[in-house]
Amino acid sequence: NAGVTQTPKFQVLKTGQSMTLQCAQDMNHNSMYWYRQDPGMGLRLIYYSASEGTTDKGEVPNGYNVSRLNKREFSLRLESAAPSQTSVYFCASSAGQINSPLHFGNGTRLTVT
Amino acid sequence: SQELEQSPQSLIVQEGKNLTINCTSSKTLYGLYWYKQKYGEGLIFLMMLQKGGEEKSHEKITAKLDEKKQQSSLHITASQPSHAGIYLCGADTNAGKSTFGDGTTLTVKP
Repeated sequence: NAGVTQTPKFQVLKTGQSMTLQCAQDMNHNSMYWYRQDPGMGLRLIYYSASEGTTDKGEVPNGYNVSRLNKREFSLRLESAAPSQTSVYFCASSAGQINSPLHFGNGTRLTVT
Repeated sequence: SQELEQSPQSLIVQEGKNLTINCTSSKTLYGLYWYKQKYGEGLIFLMMLQKGGEEKSHEKITAKLDEKKQQSSLHITASQPSHAGIYLCGADTNAGKSTFGDGTTLTVKP
């Protein structure tokens, strides 16, 4: 069972470069999420998609864009990377109802120099 | 916004010892999740508590929800090195999204 698959696992970018983080889930979940995890800051929601065709900003959306390509896939794009975006990024999915746990991918470690 | 405060921030125990991690909410808890994260990996869902007084167990890990205290506790009995990792509590907000505590890092010494 693949669950939530994120690519790539590691990435190093130079300031100003762009990249897209890919995420796919095979659990037929309605909702998908992108979080970043930083030491001392916990998990912070960047963007989420409650259902196919919709996306909404989370707590820290600046500098990011997302695309819900279909029910399975939710990508996160950094148009012009900044050192402040160095972080570990997690994609997650859930059935989307109250009391539906999140299922997480293994994360992408991004370093921006 | 709902905030979740976990305590302690970190914990070092000798293998075989029991331990408890707490998660306190600033608002009424309608449901609470516990996750575990190993270094370099994503969060793994452990269990969900929905009702006040509810208690769930998974192997040697037991979690309880006290609605009155707006608190949940995670108790590990006879800890093993495999229990080491970061434990995070999470809760649904009224906006339909999840919020998380900052995590408790558990080290189990053999």
